[in-house]
Amino acid sequence: DAGVIQSPRHEVTEMGQEVTLRCKPISGHDYLFWYRQTMMRGLELLIYFNNNVPIDDSGMPEDRFSAKMPNASFSTLKIQPSEPRDSAVYFCASRTWQGETQYFGPGTRLLVL
Amino acid sequence: GENVEQHPSTLSVQEGDSAVIKCTYSDSASNYFPWYKQELGKRPQLIIDIRSNVGEKKDQRIAVTLNKTAKHFSLHITETQPEDSAVYFCAASDNAGNMLTFGGGTRLMVKP
Repeated sequence: DAGVIQSPRHEVTEMGQEVTLRCKPISGHDYLFWYRQTMMRGLELLIYFNNNVPIDDSGMPEDRFSAKMPNASFSTLKIQPSEPRDSAVYFCASRTWQGETQYFGPGTRLLVL
Repeated sequence: GENVEQHPSTLSVQEGDSAVIKCTYSDSASNYFPWYKQELGKRPQLIIDIRSNVGEKKDQRIAVTLNKTAKHFSLHITETQPEDSAVYFCAASDNAGNMLTFGGGTRLMVKP
């Protein structure tokens, strides 16, 4: 299995632009998580899905952030408009319904200028 | 919500020595406690986890202990090696293991 796949791996954009981050979970995994990692705030859970349905989005910082999971093999995290404080590494993770272990993707390093 | 405190923030040891990282949590309902290792520029990877019905768990050079009464848990690495150098994160979550709250991380440096 290829593991969790994220794209792009690096993104540099200008303030005000729309940013879309993509994630493909491990095949057969029912749960998908989006995290953000910064030096100041550490690793934070933004939102998670179960069977493509958003279950808890209490970690989403504000309305500029949105996440979707149109099918079991694809999810997006969108920031519109982006701001410099959104600069961070965004990780996607997935797990099966039976197990507790979350498997992380390689992350997308976002820099908003 | 859950709050996880992790100490120390940095730890430097000589190769072969032991390293101990400690975490405390606030929500008595938490019962799943994983530890992740993150090398520079890489993804977090699970190294060991423990559930609240177990007091200790070992996997080769790594062990985790849990004191549910005091709401703290610790990671013990014995016979440290340079490749153990990384940032280690503890976390706590509810029964389902979904709402992971992470500690602030410990940067472990193992000097050869």
